[in-house]
Amino acid sequence: DGGITQSPKYLFRKEGQNVTLSCEQNLNHDAMYWYRQDPGQGLRLIYYSQIVNDFQKGDIAEGYSVSREKKESFPLTVTSAQKNPTAFYLCASSSQGAGNQPQHFGDGTRLSIL
Amino acid sequence: DAKTTQPPSMDCAEGRAANLPCNHSTISGNEYVYWYRQIHSQGPQYIIHGLKNNETNEMASLIITEDRKSSTLILPHATLRDTAVYYCIVRVVYSGGSNYKLTFGKGTLLTVNP
Repeated sequence: DGGITQSPKYLFRKEGQNVTLSCEQNLNHDAMYWYRQDPGQGLRLIYYSQIVNDFQKGDIAEGYSVSREKKESFPLTVTSAQKNPTAFYLCASSSQGAGNQPQHFGDGTRLSIL
Repeated sequence: DAKTTQPPSMDCAEGRAANLPCNHSTISGNEYVYWYRQIHSQGPQYIIHGLKNNETNEMASLIITEDRKSSTLILPHATLRDTAVYYCIVRVVYSGGSNYKLTFGKGTLLTVNP
């Protein structure tokens, strides 16, 4: 089945550690996105990529890094510089097409600090 | 992007139609209306989108008023599995086809009762 796979579903991080969240899509979508969701809040954009080897910062990029070496993959690294990393992280993708194509989401990774 | 207003919660009886309203009185001519829903601890699920014409797919219908200042998402025969938070999003689509950042508000919690 085509879709977006995020792993792991739950992740625990010790203080000072970097962790990487995986996002893979087999929808042949050009664009990919990372959002963060805090309890009772809407989604906030961290990074997005419209094409391989290119990405842009979203609204809350500080403390995060990404790479886009393959069309199918857009991993997110939460660095030790991110002071409040506990959140629900969502990856999305979309085709470019006419530009109004919807974004489709994975099932998220819940990150907690030990 | 235009701001949207949705009721915080609604109830619906199983098997009946659920009609979820959204006000977007400041919408501009190149902004699309998107609907997503999110079941607890899952990623948002795309439902439907439209510009000015009414739209229907296998999940729902979208009715946009002639002045485009409000819209209604209709789930024709609600089931218990439709209990979720429903988000109405208005997003500008640029002519170049760039596709980024969905801004999710607090949405409407729809509870379908047996």
